[in-house]
Amino acid sequence: DVKVTQSSRYLVKRTGEKVFLECVQDMDHENMFWYRQDPGLGLRLIYFSYDVKMKEKGDIPEGYSVSREKKERFSLILESASTNQTSMYLCASRSLGGNTEAFFGQGTRLTVV
Amino acid sequence: GQNIDQPTEMTATEGAIVQINCTYQTSGFNGLFWYQQHAGEAPTFLSYNVLDGLEEKGRFSSFLSRSKGYSYLLLKELQMKDSASYLCAVRDHYGQNFVFGPGTRLSVLP
Repeated sequence: DVKVTQSSRYLVKRTGEKVFLECVQDMDHENMFWYRQDPGLGLRLIYFSYDVKMKEKGDIPEGYSVSREKKERFSLILESASTNQTSMYLCASRSLGGNTEAFFGQGTRLTVV
Repeated sequence: GQNIDQPTEMTATEGAIVQINCTYQTSGFNGLFWYQQHAGEAPTFLSYNVLDGLEEKGRFSSFLSRSKGYSYLLLKELQMKDSASYLCAVRDHYGQNFVFGPGTRLSVLP
């Protein structure tokens, strides 16, 4: 059974803290994604990676960075957390094939106070 | 630019049929996906269309018209467990990224 695992379901952090969100997939997928989901806005792409050590900015990369040192792991980093980064964060992965769908992790609900 | 529209909320009765529409304007098109997301859970894949026409999968069907930039998800014989958000997503020209719509929250009433 395919699996995308995010390290935490719920996180509460203080403004200015450095925050790491970890995502691991066990399907040997090339592509990995980080989205944030906010009411009325849907899923918005923060960053994606199509290979180890490769990364591309999505639609809303400001305030975030990513790291992909190994194929199975894709980390999202909030360098200095702010209250407007309070959101649900979803990690996804997919293979390179033609009609393959993305598989999602269970999400991390981050609250920045 | 990228724009995907869906109704925000819909309500239907158990046992009925409901159609959730999705219109899109994207810089490229390489397939349209529908996902289901229950509250507090991850989105799960429902269906995929890349050619015009209807794809049927049990109680769920999805239709695509590329010339009109339009898709719909049809849910038949609604059950209470179908209460969820339904997300329409277009895969871009390069085939790597998904652009998601805002999602439609469906409530199924007894």
